[in-house]
Formats: sequence, structure tokens, C-alpha cells
Amino acid sequence: ETGVTQSPTHLIKTRGQQVTLRCSSQSGHNTVSWYQQALGQGPQFIFQYYREEENGRGNFPPRFSGLQFPNYSSELNVNALELDDSALYLCASNTGGTYGYTFGSGTRLTVV
Amino acid sequence: GQQVMQIPQYQHVQEGEDFTTYCNSSTTLSNIQWYKQRPGGHPVFLIQLVKSGEVKKQKRLTFQFGEAKKNSSLHITATQTTDVGTYFCAGSGSGGSNYKLTFGKGTLLTVNP
Repeated sequence: ETGVTQSPTHLIKTRGQQVTLRCSSQSGHNTVSWYQQALGQGPQFIFQYYREEENGRGNFPPRFSGLQFPNYSSELNVNALELDDSALYLCASNTGGTYGYTFGSGTRLTVV
Repeated sequence: GQQVMQIPQYQHVQEGEDFTTYCNSSTTLSNIQWYKQRPGGHPVFLIQLVKSGEVKKQKRLTFQFGEAKKNSSLHITATQTTDVGTYFCAGSGSGGSNYKLTFGKGTLLTVNP
């Protein structure tokens, strides 16, 4: 059984640029959520996808967008990067419903 | 919106001592989950509590969900150095918001051998 894998592990971008982060869900999981974790804070919910459709969104601006593909892999896109977007971005998957999530190791994004 | 608060923020113990972290939600939860994040790592799911007053045990870890489903606690008996990490509670709201996990800020546990 494979876990959740994310790429890249680290990324440095310049303010104003765009970034795409990728996630492969655990086998058998059809729900994927994305979280932003600032240093010393708990993860903050960005949005969730279920069977390729967004079914929930947190308090993040529209420049944060995502996709889920038929194989349940997922992307997080962030446009017009700001310095405050520097954080660990975590992808988490489960089988749907309110069950525990399996988190990936995350992508550490630094915006300079 | 829903807020989840955790105390204490930090806890340093001697190996063998007990440890407790507390979690309080501003709204009634449909369920609460607990995660552990080792330094430099990612959150790892520990357990989910769903029922009012529920108590679950995993070896030295005891998890409780309050009667009003607004608070929870994690107690570790006789800590070991392998228990080091940040413990997060994460709550799901009821109704249409039950997909969203709201995390507390976590309690960082350090253990002196």
C-alpha cells in the first residue's frame, strides 16, 4: 500500500510568480484535501476534492486553486505569490466521509 | 467561524512523567481527530472520537471526547523519548461543514531522558 506522495519537496519562488504543487493520493482514497502550515502553527484547510470536484473551501483567496484527476492525484496552484505564502503545503487523503487522513510529507515553499 | 484552541502550547517533561494536552472548540463538533507531528515531519493520524463522552486507549495514550462534544484531551502515561513531537487536535463541524478539519495550534512535547 503506497502512502501519499508530494512533489517537489522544496521550492523557492519569487513574489508574483505562480507555482504548482502535486500530490498522489494513497491507493483507494478518493478524497484529497490541501492544507497550509505556517511555522509553529497547525495546518489550515485550503480546500477539498472528492471525485474530481471541489466540495469544500477554507478562507483562502481565489488565487489558490486546485484540480483532482481521474486517478485521484491532485494539484494545488497558487498565482501571484506573496511572501506570506511561504509555508509547508500538505496534501491529505482518505476514503471519504469523516475518517482520519493520511498526510504526505509536504512541499516546503519559500517565497522571496 | 469555528475555532479550536489547545493548551498548553509547550510541555517539557522528564521521561516517565505523564503528559496531558487539552483541546476546546468554539462550536459543537461532529467528531475530533488527533494527530502527531514529529519535528520536521508531517501529521500522522492517531485516532478519531465520534461519540459524546467517548474514551479510547492506545497503549499508553488515552483520548477523551467531552459530553458536549466541544472539548477533548489526550493523556500519555509514563512518557518516553519516542513520544516527542507536536500533538494536534482537529475538529469537524456538523452538517455541511463536516468535510473541513479545523486544527488547533498544537502542543509541543519534549521529553528529557
